[in-house]
Amino acid sequence: NAGVTQTPKFRVLKTGQSMTLLCAQDMNHEYMYWYRQDPGMGLRLIHYSVGEGTTAKGEVPDGYNVSRLKKQNFLLGLESAAPSQTSVYFCASSYGARTGSFTEAFFGQGTRLTVV
Amino acid sequence: DQQVKQNSPSLSVQEGRISILNCDYTNSMFDYFLWYKKYPAEGPTFLISISSIKDKNEDGRFTVFLNKSAKHLSLHIVPSQPGDSAVYFCAASDGGNDMRFGAGTRLTVKP
Repeated sequence: NAGVTQTPKFRVLKTGQSMTLLCAQDMNHEYMYWYRQDPGMGLRLIHYSVGEGTTAKGEVPDGYNVSRLKKQNFLLGLESAAPSQTSVYFCASSYGARTGSFTEAFFGQGTRLTVV
Repeated sequence: DQQVKQNSPSLSVQEGRISILNCDYTNSMFDYFLWYKKYPAEGPTFLISISSIKDKNEDGRFTVFLNKSAKHLSLHIVPSQPGDSAVYFCAASDGGNDMRFGAGTRLTVKP
């Protein structure tokens, strides 16, 4: 049982390049999330999805796009990378925010992205 | 604005003693609070949570206390063990679709 798997684990991009981060979960979770972690800032929500075919903006969505074509996958895209997007990106999934009570999220191992 | 604040970037305690990690929040709509633990090069893992209808939740060596009037929660680890050394994140939700995280506190438990 892999849980939440992120691909790739490391990447270096040049300013202006594009890339896609892939997140896959095998727990049949409805909700999926993309966070970024920066020093002194904790984890900040970029985008999230409450089910297949749905996406919504989080706290810091600018410069990112997402897609959830299949329930188990959540893709995060950077169309034109900027140095300010250098960060560690975490994907997470959960059963949902309103299933009787809030349920905790399970996180992937993270993707360390450097934009030079 | 940071709605969840962990004002202590680091904490060091001796093995066997109590570790107390603190968290403050500003949004009175938050009704569910969680603590996550993170080791280097790994994703955060869920540790313990508490709903706003409670003021205490205990799970083994870990206890979370919630003071709604002060908008403050704390995580107590007793007794602390070297394997508890990690970064601890406090998180809060208003029951919506996201969690707001604090900046984290790095706990070091010395043998």
